[in-house]
Amino acid sequence: EPEVTQTPSHQVTQMGQEVILRCVPISNHLYFYWYRQILGQKVEFLVSFYNNEISEKSEIFDDQFSVERPDGSNFTLKIRSTKLEDSAMYFCASSASGGSWEQYFGPGTRLTVT
Amino acid sequence: QQQVKQSPQSLIVQKGGISIINCAYENTAFDYFPWYQQFPGKGPALLIAIRPDVSEKKEGRFTISFNKSAKQFSLHIMDSQPGDSATYFCAARSNGATNKLIFGTGTLLAVQP
Repeated sequence: EPEVTQTPSHQVTQMGQEVILRCVPISNHLYFYWYRQILGQKVEFLVSFYNNEISEKSEIFDDQFSVERPDGSNFTLKIRSTKLEDSAMYFCASSASGGSWEQYFGPGTRLTVT
Repeated sequence: QQQVKQSPQSLIVQKGGISIINCAYENTAFDYFPWYQQFPGKGPALLIAIRPDVSEKKEGRFTISFNKSAKQFSLHIMDSQPGDSATYFCAARSNGATNKLIFGTGTLLAVQP
């Protein structure tokens, strides 16, 4: 069964450093998303991406964040200068098309900023 | 208006019992309501979903009941099993081109053997 994969599973970084979180969405999916979940809290939308551009972003997704689809399979989230409050689980998700609203989530990357 | 309120925060059910988790929303533009199951350290897994033109959807032991006029929906887990012990999130799709999901705050379900 196709699944979303994410790497690394755990990333530890120092405050102010740049991190790149990687995702491989399900192969025939066209819509891609990043969500985050601070420990013990709900899942929060960060950004959606379609046709090589951002279609919507949340207030959390400020200038420190960027997304990219560098090739036909990967989808990345970059945080330029990490802050302590960026520590969270980051989930990538994908869906097949605009008419199929089912979003499938990856296992997540736990980001710890020290 | 973009919130989805979920209750209870935690739930303990005996094996074989019925688990019921409730969600409510304000935004009438929401047009798709999935439920996700999350085990510790894992990503949310899509469990079952419903659209507002249907009042109930059943898949195996899982049923969504949807009340459009009350803007409420609920997940019923019949014959609850210890393996169902997880956190359950309701969500709502924001009507638009982006498919953004707004999540509830989660319910930690423990099914006791």
